[in-house]
Amino acid sequence: DVKVTQSSRYLVKRTGEKVFLECVQDMDHENMFWYRQDPGLGLRLIYFSYDVKMKEKGDIPEGYSVSREKKERFSLILESASTNQTSMYLCASSLFSITLMNTEAFFGQGTRLTVV
Amino acid sequence: SQQGEEDPQALSIQEGENATMNCSYKTSINNLQWYRQNSGRGLVHLILIRSNEREKHSGRLRVTLDTSKKSSSLLITASRAADTASYFCATPLKEYGNKLVFGAGTILRVKS
Repeated sequence: DVKVTQSSRYLVKRTGEKVFLECVQDMDHENMFWYRQDPGLGLRLIYFSYDVKMKEKGDIPEGYSVSREKKERFSLILESASTNQTSMYLCASSLFSITLMNTEAFFGQGTRLTVV
Repeated sequence: SQQGEEDPQALSIQEGENATMNCSYKTSINNLQWYRQNSGRGLVHLILIRSNEREKHSGRLRVTLDTSKKSSSLLITASRAADTASYFCATPLKEYGNKLVFGAGTILRVKS
């Protein structure tokens, strides 16, 4: 079974704190993604990575950065947490395919982050 | 920017009825994927349809793809209360390599 594990299920942080959200996958997938999910807005892509040390901005990268030092781990960093970053954060991974680009994505259980 | 737009936003049906959800997208794709999300959890992949396929089945799920209209539909037959969830379509954007973009989703409620 593919496993994508996010380090925390629930997290409460203070405004201005630097926050690290960790994601680990065990299936040697090339692609990894970070999304945030807010009611009525669906999943919005923050950053994605297609290889170690490679990263691409998604649709809403402002206020976030990422790190991919090892293939299995993709970290999302909130440089200075703000209340408008309170959200559900979802990590996903997928295998790269030349013909399909993305095969099915496997998701972690999500981290519900509250910034107070 | 969201590539997929699901329709309707919400759907409420009785157990045993069929549920149909639609997805429209804007740019060319090489595949389209459907996912389910139970409340407060991560998404689970349901089915992938390639751009050269028109229809695909998996159990009670039937997905169609019309690339000329840039649309897809997901049909769940003989729905059950356990099908209550949010359903999303997702497309990898060809011109952006591996970027996987989701729509806003359809909330399905199946009443028993």
